[in-house]
Amino acid sequence: QKEVEQDPGPLSVPEGAIVSLNCTYSNSAFQYFMWYRQYSRKGPELLMYTYSSGNKEDGRFTAQVDKSSKYISLFIRDSQPSDSATYLCAMSDYGQNFVFGPGTRLSVLP
Amino acid sequence: DTGVSQDPRHKITKRGQNVTFRCDPISEHNRLYWYRQTLGQGPEFLTYFQNEAQLEKSRLLSDRFSAERPKGSFSTLEIQRTEQGDSAMYLCAAGGGNQPQHFGDGTRLSIL
Repeated sequence: QKEVEQDPGPLSVPEGAIVSLNCTYSNSAFQYFMWYRQYSRKGPELLMYTYSSGNKEDGRFTAQVDKSSKYISLFIRDSQPSDSATYLCAMSDYGQNFVFGPGTRLSVLP
Repeated sequence: DTGVSQDPRHKITKRGQNVTFRCDPISEHNRLYWYRQTLGQGPEFLTYFQNEAQLEKSRLLSDRFSAERPKGSFSTLEIQRTEQGDSAMYLCAAGGGNQPQHFGDGTRLSIL
């Protein structure tokens, strides 16, 4: 079992849809959780950064962490074609070791 | 602007040649990381520096790979005697601790 699992997709949705992206993990030491967006031939761009369980909202993006289930989610409201990218979840124990999921490729169709 | 600059953006070389990549964090970051990313995968950890000290190396980092951060600012990653399997995107990230990492746009290495 990989340390971080993520549905690779691809995921296609119509413009305006709510998108749910998910990751599961096995290491209970993880306490920092991140979501990155990566466009083709570019580096990952930080979207959300959370510590511990709960929700965090930033504009159209909401990150959710459930440490008891070892499950994190990213919700995108009112999705736009410009949201089409690969979304990577990432986790860290004490801010030293970072582990990434394989990414979910999202297409938002106009 | 992520605050991390990488050079070159794309490197094409023949198998067996040596290549060197550079990473420049624009602002001072104590921690600097190198990752490798192949198509359809997330970044895989290679090594990281706290200031000029290289504190951890992945088992992915064979003897042909070496990284330096001589003055605790910019860093270089060198691959000697390149092989076909070295073809990947090499990413540099600054940050860590209780701060998230910010990535550069990477160097894409193509081995002919």
